[in-house]
Amino acid sequence: DSGVTQTPKHLITATGQRVTLRCSPRSGDLSVYWYQQSLDQGLQFLIQYYNGEERAKGNILERFSAQQFPDLHSELNLSSLELGDSALYFCASSVGHSSYNSPLHFGNGTRLTVT
Amino acid sequence: KNEVEQSPQNLTAQEGEFITINCSYSVGISALHWLQQHPGGGIVSLFMLSSGKKKHGRLIATINIQEKHSSLHITASHPRDSAVYICAVRSGTGNQFYFGTGTSLTVIP
Repeated sequence: DSGVTQTPKHLITATGQRVTLRCSPRSGDLSVYWYQQSLDQGLQFLIQYYNGEERAKGNILERFSAQQFPDLHSELNLSSLELGDSALYFCASSVGHSSYNSPLHFGNGTRLTVT
Repeated sequence: KNEVEQSPQNLTAQEGEFITINCSYSVGISALHWLQQHPGGGIVSLFMLSSGKKKHGRLIATINIQEKHSSLHITASHPRDSAVYICAVRSGTGNQFYFGTGTSLTVIP
């Protein structure tokens, strides 16, 4: 058990809808990372938050947004959903703001299906 | 153009064999990660490297910064090692992660 909790495990929704994915980091970890894993594009980095502030931004679409709350949990909001957004969304956490000295701990992922 | 290239893409081994998975990258990095993903989908971080060599049980990871190359070795492979192994690098600026497409390993009893 990595200590990182993601909810929900599965989500099925229709095109055009909006969903929120939630992540609780491992106790003591200040950074939260979001990744998308799709069949055609593999793993992609979306965004990182460190202690409530955006730290790094990857290939996150404008329709997607995230935030980290004072209790350090994070939410990833996906709006105007398209079929191509169907994927596994992983959250990871680490102690520091850089993975230079801080290993990543992954949640079990949220499987999003857009119909 | 892929910033991270892994080889081989697929690998089948007999139990007990020594296995090597290679990763080459083309960007400056601050860290390299080896990840393991089991058929159920969960991801486990095996190693984080910025230089040298690390060992954990039967797994060994090495990195050569000058050659921009890393290897993951599994000694005395076991069927439970069957998984997809993914190489990931964090850019030197820290602003991006790049992932390899993964190596699917099957270890046959």
